[in-house]
Amino acid sequence: DQQVKQNSPSLSVQEGRISILNCDYTNSMFDYFLWYKKYPAEGPTFLISISSIKDKNEDGRFTVFLNKSAKHLSLHIVPSQPGDSAVYFCAAKTDSWGKFQFGAGTQVVVTP
Amino acid sequence: NAGVMQNPRHLVRRRGQEARLRCSPMKGHSHVYWYRQLPEEGLKFMVYLQKENIIDESGMPKERFSAEFPKEGPSILRIQQVVRGDSAAYFCASSTGQGEAFFGQGTRLTVV
Repeated sequence: DQQVKQNSPSLSVQEGRISILNCDYTNSMFDYFLWYKKYPAEGPTFLISISSIKDKNEDGRFTVFLNKSAKHLSLHIVPSQPGDSAVYFCAAKTDSWGKFQFGAGTQVVVTP
Repeated sequence: NAGVMQNPRHLVRRRGQEARLRCSPMKGHSHVYWYRQLPEEGLKFMVYLQKENIIDESGMPKERFSAEFPKEGPSILRIQQVVRGDSAAYFCASSTGQGEAFFGQGTRLTVV
């Protein structure tokens, strides 16, 4: 039962343009959402998070948007850089003490 | 402040042997999570532990797998009588129980 879904396995974007990654969830009890970035042979690295009381959180080039009614969140990266090429995972948890549930990931390739 | 430390980074075991994977959480973190990543797949939750307690083990296979997080020392993920299908990257993450979790570099288990 996949409660967090990333339906795009891959995304190719030109350097300098905007990358938009999407994530859908089914569990309305999720109240905290995160994005992680992962390079091959390394552990995931935390990028940005958002709680359910907000609809937007921004940190430098990264912005996360949350649409609770649609059970949808997205990550915007602008401008995209070659070092952003990685797998991006969306994650969610139900409460402060819950486990993190991950989507399947989206491979982003930033081309020159 | 050292990050999450996992060892070994690479582990090779013959079928039928035991594998022990260790995870030392970040300083001040008392919550540990174990995830498995099979080739070409996302991060699958296995178990969530707090010091001396298993909070959620819903992702753990019923047989051969066990985990602990003692009062002193690292968290251990133990796989008995390994089979080829256990070959994967195993990631540990830690948190304070609130907010984001931070991941280690992972242990890549190969069963030959």
